[in-house]
Amino acid sequence: QVQLQESGPGLVKPSETLSLTCTVSGFSINGGYYWGWIRQPPGKGLEWIGCIYHSGTTYHNPSLKSRVTISVDTYKNHLSLMLTSVTAADTAVYYCARFGYSDSFFDYWGQGALVTVSS
Amino acid sequence: EIVMTQSPATLSVSPGERATLSCRASQSVSSNFAWYQQKPGQAPRLLIYGASTRATGIPARFNGSGSGTEFTLTISSLQSEDFAVYYCQQYNNWPPLTFGGGTKVEIK
Repeated sequence: QVQLQESGPGLVKPSETLSLTCTVSGFSINGGYYWGWIRQPPGKGLEWIGCIYHSGTTYHNPSLKSRVTISVDTYKNHLSLMLTSVTAADTAVYYCARFGYSDSFFDYWGQGALVTVSS
Repeated sequence: EIVMTQSPATLSVSPGERATLSCRASQSVSSNFAWYQQKPGQAPRLLIYGASTRATGIPARFNGSGSGTEFTLTISSLQSEDFAVYYCQQYNNWPPLTFGGGTKVEIK
């Protein structure tokens, strides 16, 4: 059974860097899927942040410009997200999720991690 | 970027009735299209992919249709557990992967 679990600080100060980890169990990150990050501001819709393939190939949402870094550790079977220069607009629940290489819908999701940007 | 527009924003339906949700893409996404259900405090759950294929374990009352730019999710007889927010997503042309703004299905 594929399970994903996000972890990281729940509070980040403005202008600092948000860092989250997603630990995958029940499936190898090398297993031919993309692993992505999606966020949801309180009371709002879903926004795709970016993704990574086990080879290290990454894609990100142009709306976030160059603030996003996504990496993968195949030995620990986890992926990480860093978002720099955060503002209150980055306050959201952050989800990690798996999606297919050719059919890119999200079939497994983590429970989500609320990150609040505040001084 | 492909923009996904869902309508209506809120749908009030009585239990047992049919609900019809719509999603429009700003350009053709073929059948590379999915629907998700999200309940309060939970992650989204995949309902439909390929525009019309139910995901594993999804009841037959959920039906997806459409292709190109117009898509519909029909819930044939609403059960209490179906009251939630529904999102559409295209995966035909990315990055970025894009979602619609959501339709909240509430009890009438």
